[in-house]
Amino acid sequence: EIVLTQSPGTLSLSPGERATLSCRASQSINSNYLAWYQQKPGQAPGLLIYGASSRATGIPDRFSGSGSGTDFTLTISRLEPEDFAVYYCHHYDTSPRFTFGPGTKVDIK
Amino acid sequence: EVQLVESGGGLVQPGGSLRLSCAASGFIFRSYWMHWVRQAPGKGLEWVANMKEDGSEKYYVDSVKGRFTISRDNAKNSLYLQMNSLRAEDTAVYYCARGLLWAHYYMDVWGKGTTVTVSS
Repeated sequence: EIVLTQSPGTLSLSPGERATLSCRASQSINSNYLAWYQQKPGQAPGLLIYGASSRATGIPDRFSGSGSGTDFTLTISRLEPEDFAVYYCHHYDTSPRFTFGPGTKVDIK
Repeated sequence: EVQLVESGGGLVQPGGSLRLSCAASGFIFRSYWMHWVRQAPGKGLEWVANMKEDGSEKYYVDSVKGRFTISRDNAKNSLYLQMNSLRAEDTAVYYCARGLLWAHYYMDVWGKGTTVTVSS
């Protein structure tokens, strides 16, 4: 069973700064099955990135995903006020099994 | 507008049952895999179950197998989750989500959720 670990648990930054979020898998995974979701307070999650690096429809280009194997990164190039949220990485395997990481909270410094 | 609206949550005693519904609109429901995902209070996301477009395949997380049943009615554009033998650890907000058309394992549209509380 693959376990996803996200770091840091909380990231305190100011608007305009760059955010780098990490997702590490307990074993090598197919990047086609790695996604990132954003959840704002009191709201449902929303798909940000799929296939490790493809932006979902309507997602601004300040969001980017990268990585392969066991290490994946979500980068927000310049934080906007609406980007302060919790971010979850997600992996699918064909068992099927769906695994979410514990999340990284990006809050305002 | 593409929309998913969940209903049917509430307070139920341990061992009780509840049926959640998800009404879909704004897209061709019968063309999409659908999922249920839950989030316990203050916790992260947990995938619960999903179902293929035509209902021919359905899958569950181990912790709900034998207790929960996912179903759909494509004529009514609706997804359901029958939850039996409920436990305190099933307490959560339950989200209905649509699978991405070309990659059903990603969830591209989510409802606002319905809250299930299992407590005596």
